[in-house]
Order: sequence, then C-alpha cells, then structure tokens
Amino acid sequence: DAGVTQSPTHLIKTRGQHVTLRCSPISGHKSVSWYQQVLGQGPQFIFQYYEKEERGRGNFPDRFSARQFPNYSSELNVNALLLGDSALYLCASSYRDEQFFGPGTRLTVL
Amino acid sequence: QKEVEQNSGPLSVPEGAIASLNCTYSDRGSQSFFWYRQYSGKSPELIMSIYSNGDKEDGRFTAQLNKASQYVSLLIRDSQPSDSATYLCAVVSGGYNKLIFGAGTRLAVHP
Repeated sequence: DAGVTQSPTHLIKTRGQHVTLRCSPISGHKSVSWYQQVLGQGPQFIFQYYEKEERGRGNFPDRFSARQFPNYSSELNVNALLLGDSALYLCASSYRDEQFFGPGTRLTVL
Repeated sequence: QKEVEQNSGPLSVPEGAIASLNCTYSDRGSQSFFWYRQYSGKSPELIMSIYSNGDKEDGRFTAQLNKASQYVSLLIRDSQPSDSATYLCAVVSGGYNKLIFGAGTRLAVHP
C-alpha cells in the first residue's frame, strides 16, 4: 500500500509570497493533520481535518489555512511568507490514534 | 513548563548495549503515547504506541508507561549503528487526536 504522499518535496520562496502544500493520505484514512518542524525541535501541530471538517487548530497565525477535499487529500496554504516560516512541513494521516507521516515538504523562505 | 520533555542528548551507547530513552509529560488526561524515530533529513517514523500502564514489547523495542508518574520510556535492546537517529516522544493532548511532541533525544550507537 502507498504511504502518505506530499508535494512538492522542496520549495524556495521569497518573503511575502504565498505557498500551497499538498498531501494525500493513506488509502482508507479520513483524517489529515499538518505539522511544522523547525531544526532541532519536534513537530508543532498546525491543523487537523476529519471528513473535510476542521477538528483543531494549533497556535499559528491566520496566514496559515488548510482544507480537506472529498477524496481526503489536503492542502496547507501559507500567505505573506516570513523568514521564520522556513521549516519542514509534515502531513500525517490517521485512521484511529496512530498517525503516519509523509516525507514532508522542505520550505525555504529567502 | 514544556508539555513533553525529553533529554536532548546525544545519548551514546556501544553496539549491542541497551539504549534507554525517557520522556515526561504534563497533561494528566493524556491516554495515548507514541515513539517516533527520525533519521537526519527524513520524516518521523512511528515505531511504538502504548496506551496502558506497563510494558509493551515489539522486537528489540520495549515501551514503558507510568501514568501516575507521567513518564514514558523506550528501551532498545541489542542496539545497532542503524538505530542512530533522533527519537521523538509524542502524547495525544486535547479533545481530538492532536500530537504534542518533545524536542527529541539524539541516539548515537557506536561500533
């Protein structure tokens, strides 16, 4: 079975730009969560979606938004990029409690 | 106080030894606990989940949970150089399936 997929793998943007990151969950998983991981820290929770509804949001500014589609794939959008948004963005899919991560998108903001 | 705390390491152990990784958490209501392994430049990989007090064994890995002490640990027996990675402790917190991670412990297994 295919695991969680994310695209793109790497992305370079400049300050003020907008970015869209994409995620496809494991087949049969209806929940998708997004995390941000900066170097030397554990992943930080951004959003969780289940059945296209937002179940929870972490302590991130309104520049961050997300949505989930009928096929359970998801997008994370970040507007007005700041240098501090440079990080590894991780998508995790889950069926019950266990969350399985995709390979991540490495975002660099210059 | 951080919600999930781990020693950053590095924890250095010789090949074949037992590596012991520890984690404490602050939310007494937490019921689900996980260990992830993360190799440099890669994403976290789930290696153990534990929900009840006591020990859970899977191959060379044993997870231990003590909810009264708010303590989770991971033992790796017969450590191999390929076990060298950062180990992340994660706890479900809140009314939905949100994971709170520690900063991770870097493990180095030397031949």
